[in-house]
Amino acid sequence: AQKITQTQPGMFVQEKEAVTLDCTYDTSDPSYGLFWYKQPSSGEMIFLIYQGSYDQQNATEGRYSLNFQKARKSANLVISASQLGDSAMYFCAMREGTSGTYKYIFGTGTRLKVLA
Amino acid sequence: NAGVMQNPRHLVRRRGQEARLRCSPMKGHSHVYWYRQLPEEGLKFMVYLQKENIIDESGMPKERFSAEFPKEGPSILRIQQVVRGDSAAYFCASSGGTQYFGPGTRLLVL
Repeated sequence: AQKITQTQPGMFVQEKEAVTLDCTYDTSDPSYGLFWYKQPSSGEMIFLIYQGSYDQQNATEGRYSLNFQKARKSANLVISASQLGDSAMYFCAMREGTSGTYKYIFGTGTRLKVLA
Repeated sequence: NAGVMQNPRHLVRRRGQEARLRCSPMKGHSHVYWYRQLPEEGLKFMVYLQKENIIDESGMPKERFSAEFPKEGPSILRIQQVVRGDSAAYFCASSGGTQYFGPGTRLLVL
């Protein structure tokens, strides 16, 4: 079974609109972390946002927010006020294990295209 | 620049040659992860190392691939006798809890 599932291979959004990228995960660990990364066409992997499994509030970083629904095991990324530069691949990832033995699992990614 | 460093950024090898990819983690990080990304695909975990110790190599092909992270110097991912299917982007990440990635090495095998 997939541990991290991103069901949207591609998404379009109009500039200045908000967009939600879906991510569901599967783990039996009580302690885990959830991450989103952006990979523009230039190829680098850019860390965007982190949510810990015990965090009570949803994480936010500027225009990025993580809609964390623990019971549903979902960690969707919301990008508000989309910009053309947001066009990229977006990867959801989960960290399992304990410090010193962390393992990171990545989803297959969602390609976002922002339309002018 | 205190980020994760990888070199070379681009590497071209002929079939049968060896490829050596280097990674220096962020300052203060002693954990290094290597991933492979084929075109239009996600990241595939290869190996997780601490200084002088391989923690998890469950994603490494059994043959031709090896990795090390010596006490001094960068982590090295070595691919011996490269084949065309090894052409990919190889990313290194270092972690103090959150993973930060290097710019990647694009390997092209002719």
